[in-house]
Amino acid sequence: EPEVTQTPSHQVTQMGQEVILRCVPISNHLYFYWYRQILGQKVEFLVSFYNNEISEKSEIFDDQFSVERPDGSNFTLKIRSTKLEDSAMYFCAIARQGILDTQYFGPGTRLTVL
Amino acid sequence: AQTVTQSQPEMSVQEAETVTLSCTYDTSESDYYLFWYKQPPSRQMILVIRQEAYKQQNATENRFSVNFQKAAKSFSLKISDSQLGDAAMYFCAYRVLDSNYQLIWGAGTKLIIKP
Repeated sequence: EPEVTQTPSHQVTQMGQEVILRCVPISNHLYFYWYRQILGQKVEFLVSFYNNEISEKSEIFDDQFSVERPDGSNFTLKIRSTKLEDSAMYFCAIARQGILDTQYFGPGTRLTVL
Repeated sequence: AQTVTQSQPEMSVQEAETVTLSCTYDTSESDYYLFWYKQPPSRQMILVIRQEAYKQQNATENRFSVNFQKAAKSFSLKISDSQLGDAAMYFCAYRVLDSNYQLIWGAGTKLIIKP
């Protein structure tokens, strides 16, 4: 099973601050995804990323969110001005090869906005 | 729009017994994938099993197996010989086969293992 790490494991921030969540696949992957899970709620798709560009995004992924893969390795999710309702677990998922490949999830980052 | 429904918010089973978790979905697609993911208290999301819709044979992974009923749009997970380490939230997910390939998730079932 492909390995992927996420940093930090827990981030506490003040409302209005910017946060960057990082996803680091251990080996080469082509397809990246961000999901979030508000405590006690369903997992929600945020965005998919392929070939260094966004391939799809959900309604949740508004202008305060952005993703990039600046160095060809780390895959980041930036939230520009955090809101209380952004408090959630954020999961990075990767797919190794083809578009039909299984998505494997990182351990998640718990974001707490105060 | 595709939806995934898990009607059991919580299930409990005696250690070493067998338990079945239910999942139904709604789609107009003929080709898709279905998944069961496990989320232990650490909250990491771990793949348990995957089923391709074009395959008639039910997927199995050691103690985990599925009952895939395509016509009924049902995808249940059976856990045999339940172990304490199986205690977790279990999520059923559907894979959309279009340009984004995002997963669509059910609400989850909390599985409690009684020693």
